Amino acid sequence: NAGVTQTPKFQVLKTGQSMTLQCAQDMNHNSMYWYRQDPGMGLRLIYYSASEGTTDKGEVPNGYNVSRLNKREFSLRLESAAPSQTSVYFCASRQGAASYNSPLHFGNGTRLTVT
Amino acid sequence: AQSVTQLDSQVPVFEEAPVELRCNYSSSVSVYLFWYVQYPNQGLQLLLKYLSGSTLVKGINGFEAEFNKSQTSFHLRKPSVHISDTAEYFCAVIPNTGFQKLVFGTGTRLLVSP
Repeated sequence: NAGVTQTPKFQVLKTGQSMTLQCAQDMNHNSMYWYRQDPGMGLRLIYYSASEGTTDKGEVPNGYNVSRLNKREFSLRLESAAPSQTSVYFCASRQGAASYNSPLHFGNGTRLTVT
Repeated sequence: AQSVTQLDSQVPVFEEAPVELRCNYSSSVSVYLFWYVQYPNQGLQLLLKYLSGSTLVKGINGFEAEFNKSQTSFHLRKPSVHISDTAEYFCAVIPNTGFQKLVFGTGTRLLVSP
């Protein structure tokens, strides 16, 4: 059981380049999330998808777009990368759209550096 | 809105010593509380959670946490730590109604030395 799989694991971009971070889960979860983790700031929510076909902004959505391709996959796109987007990105999923007490399951992260 | 405060960014301890990692939260409604652990180069994994009932919650790897509603705290404890407990620990809170988003604290790095 793979859980939540993120690709790539590492990426280096130049300012202005674009890329898509991929995320897939095999647990039949309805909700999926993208977080970024920066030193001293914990995890901050970028975007989330409560269910297939819906997406909503989190607390730090600027500079990002997302696509909930199907129930399994939730991608994060950087259209024009900036150094401020250097971070570790985590995808997570959770059972049910309103299962607020169910835990998040995380992928192992994508380490992105923008030069 | 909810918020979580982890005042200690880093806690150094010696192996086999007890440890307490502090977490305080702020919310105008009832909440569920979680502790997650992140080992180096990995994602977060659930350590324990408080939903209702007994205020003392036991988790994996010998950790436990106590919910104190009057002090709005959810401190994590372990009576005797191991080198392998070296990791970053995150406290998180979510309101217990409707579809809400988990709010994380800034994390506490536990450093266990021999």
